[in-house]
Amino acid sequence: QKEVEQDPGPLSVPEGAIVSLNCTYSNSAFQYFMWYRQYSRKGPELLMYTYSSGNKEDGRFTAQVDKSSKYISLFIRDSQPSDSATYLCAMSVGFKTIFGAGTRPFVKA
Amino acid sequence: NAGVTQTPKFQVLKTGQSMTLQCAQDMNHNSMYWYRQDPGMGLRLIYYSASEGTTDKGEVPNGYNVSRLNKREFSLRLESAAPSQTSVYFCASNLYNEQFFGPGTRLTVL
Repeated sequence: QKEVEQDPGPLSVPEGAIVSLNCTYSNSAFQYFMWYRQYSRKGPELLMYTYSSGNKEDGRFTAQVDKSSKYISLFIRDSQPSDSATYLCAMSVGFKTIFGAGTRPFVKA
Repeated sequence: NAGVTQTPKFQVLKTGQSMTLQCAQDMNHNSMYWYRQDPGMGLRLIYYSASEGTTDKGEVPNGYNVSRLNKREFSLRLESAAPSQTSVYFCASNLYNEQFFGPGTRLTVL
């Protein structure tokens, strides 16, 4: 079993809808939870970062962590075609960060 | 600041050839990482260096070696390339659990 599981999709949503992305994990030692966004042929960039259970909001993005269920989510409100990228969940403990396989939502104009 | 730079951007090798991927960061970060990214597999850690002078294996180290030349530079070497090493390679540096990635090297081994 992988330490981090992320459904690769496909995921298609109409413009303006909410994009919902999620990951599950098995290692309860993970302390930090992140979402990275990666555009085609680019390196990933940090989008959201949290270290506790609960919600964190930044503009149109909300990251949610439920440590008891070992489940994290990212919601993108008012989605736009420019949100079509690969979103990677990531979790870290110590010096190691483990990434999910990535989900690439397609936001249809 | 250039952030994290990687060279080359693209490379084609024949099976058995060797090459070194170069990575440098100008953010004065202590820890640096090498990942490979394959379709459906996400980013997998090859090697990392927690600080200058130390290196440790990650999830998929076989077939690779690394050198932490100084605080800025962390290189990845393929001694005898195999088709299974065809991938996109990313170098990253780390500060307070945020990873800063380079633009990647697309490697094809024929």
